[in-house]
Amino acid sequence: DIVMTQSPDSLGVSVGERATINCKASQSVLYRSNNKNYLAWYQQKPGQPPKLLISWASTRESGVPDRFSGSGSGTDFTLTISSLQAEDVAVYYCQQYDSSPYTFGQGTKLEIK
Amino acid sequence: EVQLLESGGGLVQPGGSLRLSCAASGFTFSSYGMGWVRQAPGKGLEWVSGLSDSGDNTYYADFVKGRFTISRDTSKNTVYLQMNSLRADDTAIYYCTRGDNLIDYWGQGTLVTVSS
Repeated sequence: DIVMTQSPDSLGVSVGERATINCKASQSVLYRSNNKNYLAWYQQKPGQPPKLLISWASTRESGVPDRFSGSGSGTDFTLTISSLQAEDVAVYYCQQYDSSPYTFGQGTKLEIK
Repeated sequence: EVQLLESGGGLVQPGGSLRLSCAASGFTFSSYGMGWVRQAPGKGLEWVSGLSDSGDNTYYADFVKGRFTISRDTSKNTVYLQMNSLRADDTAIYYCTRGDNLIDYWGQGTLVTVSS
C-alpha cells in the first residue's frame, strides 16, 4: 500500500500570509504513460464532508479560489494558500488515487495565528 | 445538482451486520465509479471501498477485506455497502462518494456505531 505522510500535522498562519502543506508518498504516483500525478487535495471544514480542491496534483477544481495551488511530482507534493483567509480554516488532506487502496494522508489542521 | 444521500447507519453490536445505502441523483449514475470513505470520531479520512462504473471491478482497504461488500443497483441509482463482522474500530461516519478513486462529490455521511 502507498503510505501518504503530511507535514506539519497542524499549522497556524496569520490572515494574509502564505500557508504551505506538504505531502509525501511512499512510492511514486506519477504514471509515466500519461505524465500525470494521481494526487488530490481535499479541504474539510468542521461538521462538513470534505471538498475536492485540486486533482492531478495541480489542477484546481471549478470554483476554488486561485489562492489555492498545488505543485510537485512523483513522491513530493505541496498545497499552497497564497494569502490565507479566515474561511480557509480547515483540515486539509492529500490522497493518492494511483493504486488501490487509495490512501489519504493523516491531515493537516490549519488555523489562524 | 449532484446529490448523494446515505442511509442505514446506526448502533450495532460487535459481530453484527449493517447495510448502508447511498441514493445518487443529479448525474448519470452508470457513468461513474462510486465508493465509501469513513472517518472515525475526531480522526482522519480512511478510504474503505470502491466500485467501477460498470460494477465489474471492486476494491477494498485491507482492514475491511472479507468483511465488507460494495455493490450497485443501476436501476435504483444506488450504491450499497454490506458490512459484516463489525468491530468497535469500525465506528465512524461513512461517506458515500462519487468516484472510486478520485472523489469529486461526497455525501453528508451516516454514522455507524459498533458497541455493546
